[in-house]
Amino acid sequence: DTEVTQTPKHLVMGMTNKKSLKCEQHMGHRAMYWYKQKAKKPPELMFVYSYEKLSINESVPSRFSPECPNSSLLNLHLHALQPEDSALYLCASSQTRNEGKLFFGSGTQLSVL
Amino acid sequence: EDKVVQSPLSLVVHEGDTVTLNCSYEVTNFRSLLWYKQEKKAPTFLFMLTSSGIEKKSGRLSSILDKKELFSILNITATQTGDSAIYLCAVIKDAGGTSYGKLTFGQGTILTVHP
Repeated sequence: DTEVTQTPKHLVMGMTNKKSLKCEQHMGHRAMYWYKQKAKKPPELMFVYSYEKLSINESVPSRFSPECPNSSLLNLHLHALQPEDSALYLCASSQTRNEGKLFFGSGTQLSVL
Repeated sequence: EDKVVQSPLSLVVHEGDTVTLNCSYEVTNFRSLLWYKQEKKAPTFLFMLTSSGIEKKSGRLSSILDKKELFSILNITATQTGDSAIYLCAVIKDAGGTSYGKLTFGQGTILTVHP
């Protein structure tokens, strides 16, 4: 299984809602990532988890809250988002943080109204 | 500040043409350069280049890294409509800094292949 699975594929939420994005991999990878991608732009790193510990937070606003419950799962909790947070949210994993070769999920297309 | 710059930003060709995509970088603690193809949503891995001058090949795609001049090229020969995608170049930093493991992406090259 060489897949990174993300759910949901699409999400529409209001600015007062709380929602969560989920990501799962069963490749035994120990590093997991959240990226944000706006239309016609490259992915931008948000968070890196290594061995279930948060290693990098790219100064992401606190309305985004990551969680890594175990080595296979990565969540991104969303609360009080702004319309400018609308984007494609990509999860990725790699063997280790230093591996470089990331496997990406298909993303969650998020719209904040 | 780390920089990864791709050129051209977009390219339109016809099936059968050969294309060359460029990626230059200025990064401290360079470890490797990676190429990804993004068709709809998920970027898919193409190549990882760590050593200078060694060409990596996969079918009609090939890539090479020049660590002295700080650039890489991605070649696609005999292009097909299925090669239409955004091609992303990214650089990963070496261990020893707090940012190691972070992929810094270039802006991408949008390739359109017409029948």
